[in-house]
Amino acid sequence: QSVLTQPPSVSGAPGQRVTISCTGSSSNIGAGYDVHWYQQLPGTAPKLLIYGNRNRPSGVPDRFSGSKSGTSASLAITGLQAEDEADYYCQSYDISLSGVGFGGGTKLTVL
Amino acid sequence: EVQLVQSGAEVKKPGESLKISCKGSGYSFTDHWIAWVRQMPGKGLEWMGIIHPRDSDTKYSPSFQGQVTISADKSMSTAYLQRSSLKASDTAMYYCARLVGTSTSGSDYWGQGTLVTVSS
Repeated sequence: QSVLTQPPSVSGAPGQRVTISCTGSSSNIGAGYDVHWYQQLPGTAPKLLIYGNRNRPSGVPDRFSGSKSGTSASLAITGLQAEDEADYYCQSYDISLSGVGFGGGTKLTVL
Repeated sequence: EVQLVQSGAEVKKPGESLKISCKGSGYSFTDHWIAWVRQMPGKGLEWMGIIHPRDSDTKYSPSFQGQVTISADKSMSTAYLQRSSLKASDTAMYYCARLVGTSTSGSDYWGQGTLVTVSS
């Protein structure tokens, strides 16, 4: 059971905007710990998409953005492209785990 | 160029031991935590633990504490993941990853993964 909850799947048409939620608790996001987001294309290693709630590593398009509020965080993708079809994971430190937890992952389908 | 290169795929029998490696290059290996992450077939990511190569400070996920051993050889710029008494349920892809900063930060560089298959 993940300490961070994500919807199993989301979908959108090319060009649209989608958001992926990551719901935590007072033991992780709500305690002030940063949220990080990863994209995992089929058959490849995860790639850091957003770190520290809203920061993009160099090379990540500004179509991807992150936000955090209270015990939740969100990843927004605008101008959806076919190449965005992948699994997305959120991550944060959890006090009860004394370590890092991942969300269960969200599969994005581009219609 | 920062790279994490992991050892190759392994096929093991139940009860055997495993040690996989993750060699860092292109940066100061002793400046960043290294994490190990498991991904079972068709499943999500699971954080196993981290190690700081500078002093081998290690933190384990409660789910993996006592089940695996994470170590590092800073002279070789290499981190290791060990597991003894393998079971079929250890079949998974194992990734190493470099943390951006503190022990709670995200991971900016990942190894290519090591596929471990445990089967009789």
